[in-house]
Amino acid sequence: QLQLQESGPGLVKPSETLSLTCSVSGVSITRSSYYWGWIRQPPGQGLDWIVNFYPRGTNYYNPSLKSRVTMSVDTAKNQLSLGLTSVTAADTAVYFCVRRNDFWVDHWGQGILVTVSS
Amino acid sequence: QSALTQPASVSGSPGQSITVSCTGTSSDVGGHNSVSWYQQHPGKAPKLMIFEVSNRPSGVSNRFSGSKSGNTASLTISGLQAEDEADYYCSSYSSSDTLGVVFGGGTKLTVL
Repeated sequence: QLQLQESGPGLVKPSETLSLTCSVSGVSITRSSYYWGWIRQPPGQGLDWIVNFYPRGTNYYNPSLKSRVTMSVDTAKNQLSLGLTSVTAADTAVYFCVRRNDFWVDHWGQGILVTVSS
Repeated sequence: QSALTQPASVSGSPGQSITVSCTGTSSDVGGHNSVSWYQQHPGKAPKLMIFEVSNRPSGVSNRFSGSKSGNTASLTISGLQAEDEADYYCSSYSSSDTLGVVFGGGTKLTVL
């Protein structure tokens, strides 16, 4: 049974870096043939892709966020990590860790609300 | 502004059928059979309801069905139940998007 669990601080100060971790259980990230990634949802708004990662390929970033986003994989811990630098109030959102199966998302983490505020 | 266009809201009474539309272009909805639909209840993660236009994942009620005509995809829910009240999002492969997959803006379904 695949499970995704996001973790990280729920409050980040403006101009600082948002750092989140996604612990994956039930399947190996790097030995799978799926995309993994992050989607965010600002309060009361829709869903936006942040980044896609394919273990045998490259990362694909939302162009509007690319300059501020980093994504990495810890193969030993089977975890994904997301970094977003120079955050502003516009980055306040629920952040979801996801697995993408071909062109649809078949597994979602429960999501973590990150608020950017001083 | 979302890549795919959905109505902001739809409503229906218990037992009725409703349809949610999702309009794109030939670069996404119209050009590929990769439309998916998600249901999201307040405070919860989205749940996959339909993939590849009309396929249901295991465990999803057969009251949910999907179709596509030209650049518009549709999600139909028959026999509406109170528990169907939620936000619904469509998504599609897009040959013109860097990430390859785009979302609609979402539709709020109200069960009257």
